[in-house]
Amino acid sequence: NAGVMQNPRHLVRRRGQEARLRCSPMKGHSHVYWYRQLPEEGLKFMVYLQKENIIDESGMPKERFSAEFPKEGPSILRIQQVVRGDSAAYFCASSPPWGSTEAFFGQGTRLTVV
Amino acid sequence: DAKTTQPNSMESNEEEPVHLPCNHSTISGTDYIHWYRQLPSQGPEYVIHGLTSNVNNRMASLAIAEDRKSSTLILHRATLRDAAVYYCILSARIYNQGGKLIFGQGTELSVKP
Repeated sequence: NAGVMQNPRHLVRRRGQEARLRCSPMKGHSHVYWYRQLPEEGLKFMVYLQKENIIDESGMPKERFSAEFPKEGPSILRIQQVVRGDSAAYFCASSPPWGSTEAFFGQGTRLTVV
Repeated sequence: DAKTTQPNSMESNEEEPVHLPCNHSTISGTDYIHWYRQLPSQGPEYVIHGLTSNVNNRMASLAIAEDRKSSTLILHRATLRDAAVYYCILSARIYNQGGKLIFGQGTELSVKP
């Protein structure tokens, strides 16, 4: 059973471009969570999604950031018009539909904005 | 979510036990105590969790104070691979929200050969 897969592992974007980060949850998991880790800072919750639904987006920046988890395919975290302050590691976690006290994390995508 | 307090850093020698403390004086009756760790350049990894009783698994043990206001993660024999940031997190057992975790700064554990 493959773990949570994130791609790309590293992404470089110029200021003003769009960044699309993908997350494939573990097999059988229908809940996806995105976290951001800024340099020298802790992990911050961004958004919690179930298939085709955003459940909790209390940690998402109000502008330029969006997330989706379609019926088919991976979850996507999209950052429009990236700025240098968006440079961070973005982690995805998944958990099963029956509820769980354990989250399974991917290796992360390291976004660098130049 | 209730707040936890951990030392910023700790040092250990290889093959010796390590006790990582966590204070959570405002814990509520429904809060579980979770521990995750993050190795360098990796995603966080679940270690252990508990509610009231001490817990053991293949990775570690969790000792929970009787009043639940503090807990200790115990690594019985530290290895170099255990060098990581260890996070103590409180989370209410909300159905379908097992993954929403509020991370603090954690304890950075270094292990000396």
